[in-house]
Amino acid sequence: DAKTTQPNSMESNEEEPVHLPCNHSTISGTDYIHWYRQLPSQGPEYVIHGLTSNVNNRMASLAIAEDRKSSTLILHRATLRDAAVYYCIPGGYNFNKFYFGSGTKLNVKP
Amino acid sequence: ETGVTQSPTHLIKTRGQQVTLRCSSQSGHNTVSWYQQALGQGPQFIFQYYREEENGRGNFPPRFSGLQFPNYSSELNVNALELDDSALYLCASSLADRGPSEQYFGPGTRLTVT
Repeated sequence: DAKTTQPNSMESNEEEPVHLPCNHSTISGTDYIHWYRQLPSQGPEYVIHGLTSNVNNRMASLAIAEDRKSSTLILHRATLRDAAVYYCIPGGYNFNKFYFGSGTKLNVKP
Repeated sequence: ETGVTQSPTHLIKTRGQQVTLRCSSQSGHNTVSWYQQALGQGPQFIFQYYREEENGRGNFPPRFSGLQFPNYSSELNVNALELDDSALYLCASSLADRGPSEQYFGPGTRLTVT
């Protein structure tokens, strides 16, 4: 399973953009990059996933490096509700058995 | 559509006992995965069930076992409980045979072993 490296913690001001990096240098050529987040006292929730090109949805954007060894989750305007632990997880096309790392704890200041 | 639910929310067991945790998948989902999350750590994959058959297992001993039922509800059973089994147990349902679909997690069951 591909290993990931993420900062333990990051801090952002409310309404400012946040860039959360992830290194996954051992990712296989067919693995997708999934991002989940876990708010306090809740189960993880899906944020976004991508394979090669950049992806956007209503929650966030995902920028994937050309060599696919790293990616960045972008929250365009952080809100207090975005304070959570963010996990990047390489995973296959079907039947993902996610191996979570330690994630990045994001603190959003008002 | 209903979300993923788990029961009970909390429970306390004694070392050596057995426990059964339950999960009700999101409607229409054919795959359920179970995870263990120790305090301050990321979730660890226990096993996955697809159409009532085990479809992959993480690094957990055989005393962790599971079942998936025709209505896609599922159970996690843990025998001979140890103190280190104290954790949050999460289930996640998905349509895992149709591409990289998202997994929908339940709120978890907090198990304390004393």
